[in-house]
Amino acid sequence: DAGVTQSPTHLIKTRGQQVTLRCSPKSGHDTVSWYQQALGQGPQFIFQYYEEEERQRGNFPDRFSGHQFPNYSSELNVNALLLGDSALYLCASSQQGVGATGELFFGEGSRLTVL
Amino acid sequence: KNQVEQSPQSLIILEGKNCTLQCNYTVSPFSNLRWYKQDTGRGPVSLTIMTFSENTKSNGRYTATLDADTKQSSLHITASQLSDSASYICVVSAKTSYDKVIFGPGTSLSVIP
Repeated sequence: DAGVTQSPTHLIKTRGQQVTLRCSPKSGHDTVSWYQQALGQGPQFIFQYYEEEERQRGNFPDRFSGHQFPNYSSELNVNALLLGDSALYLCASSQQGVGATGELFFGEGSRLTVL
Repeated sequence: KNQVEQSPQSLIILEGKNCTLQCNYTVSPFSNLRWYKQDTGRGPVSLTIMTFSENTKSNGRYTATLDADTKQSSLHITASQLSDSASYICVVSAKTSYDKVIFGPGTSLSVIP
């Protein structure tokens, strides 16, 4: 049973470019959440997708957008990259519904460096 | 305002010693509290999850406690090992129409020989 998988693991971009990060949730999970974690900080919530719709959103600008596909996988897109977007981007999956604990399972993250 | 605070910010202990990490929260209405371990550059891994009715839960050398009245939790690590060196994050969920998850800033633990 594969856990949460993210790709790519590392990438380097320059300011102004655009990036797409991908996430496949744990088998049986239907909800995907994205987090940004700067070095030495706790994860900051970007947004959550459920049933292919953005259900919650943190305090991130519209440059951050996402998508969830019918197979529950998800993408995070960041436009017009800034130096401050350099961080570890974490994807977490969970299961909603009666009886579900909503426990988050995290991927290993995508390390983005903006030069 | 929903908030999660952790203390200490960082901690250094000798291998074999015990330690306790603290988490205070002001999240309402409370759903559950989780402790995660995050190795540097890796994704967080769940250690324990506790609901309102649970006041202690163990996972090997890790024991978490929860006092829902005072809104405090602790994570006790016994007989520490070098591999325990990591960031420990307290995460509290609010029971809304969907789980709203609030992360603490984490405690950085270093276990030295």
